[in-house]
Amino acid sequence: AQSVSQHNHHVILSEAASLELGCNYSYGGTVNLFWYVQYPGQHLQLLLKYFSGDPLVKGIKGFEAEFIKSKFSFNLRKPSVQWSDTAEYFCAVKPSSYKLIFGSGTRLLVRP
Amino acid sequence: DAMVIQNPRYQVTQFGKPVTLSCSQTLNHNVMYWYQQKSSQAPKLLFHYYDKDFNNEADTPDNFQSRRPNTSFCFLDIRSPGLGDAAMYLCATSRDIGREQFFGPGTRLTVL
Repeated sequence: AQSVSQHNHHVILSEAASLELGCNYSYGGTVNLFWYVQYPGQHLQLLLKYFSGDPLVKGIKGFEAEFIKSKFSFNLRKPSVQWSDTAEYFCAVKPSSYKLIFGSGTRLLVRP
Repeated sequence: DAMVIQNPRYQVTQFGKPVTLSCSQTLNHNVMYWYQQKSSQAPKLLFHYYDKDFNNEADTPDNFQSRRPNTSFCFLDIRSPGLGDAAMYLCATSRDIGREQFFGPGTRLTVL
């Protein structure tokens, strides 16, 4: 069955530290890829997406993600986190002809 | 500016008492989705509407039904809520299948 794995369930960083959140999926065909963020008390918001083209995708608030097809990965990165990045981050994968599949999420806590 | 609106934000019901959750959108999107999200888990798709076409997930219990009377509104009906149905229910919309989904703030359902 198709699945999305986010290996880090909880991440704690200090401000200005670099961030990388892992996302791997199990599907061999064409996929659309997404990262969503949920700030405390708020709804899920799209951070960035990949459909095709340049595998390095720039999103909002300084986030980026790289699609590595050979590794079935779509890791999220940010060079320098801020306290306001404290949130839960969900990777989601949309295989063609199938529903959107979410990972279980990674809770990020950024200490001031 | 609200794009996907869910009412109520918090719903308390009794075991076995039918409940209806509401979602409306101002985006004029073709697709509307209902997800169930339990604590520390990924959102789980229950069903979606593409325009008026209803698409039920194979593992969605019969206890869950949905209605979409027009483009803007979609309802989630839980006919006989059990304790295990306590969760956050998320409504989302997308312009088309495979495109990014826009989420509402969710309705947190408590079953007593």
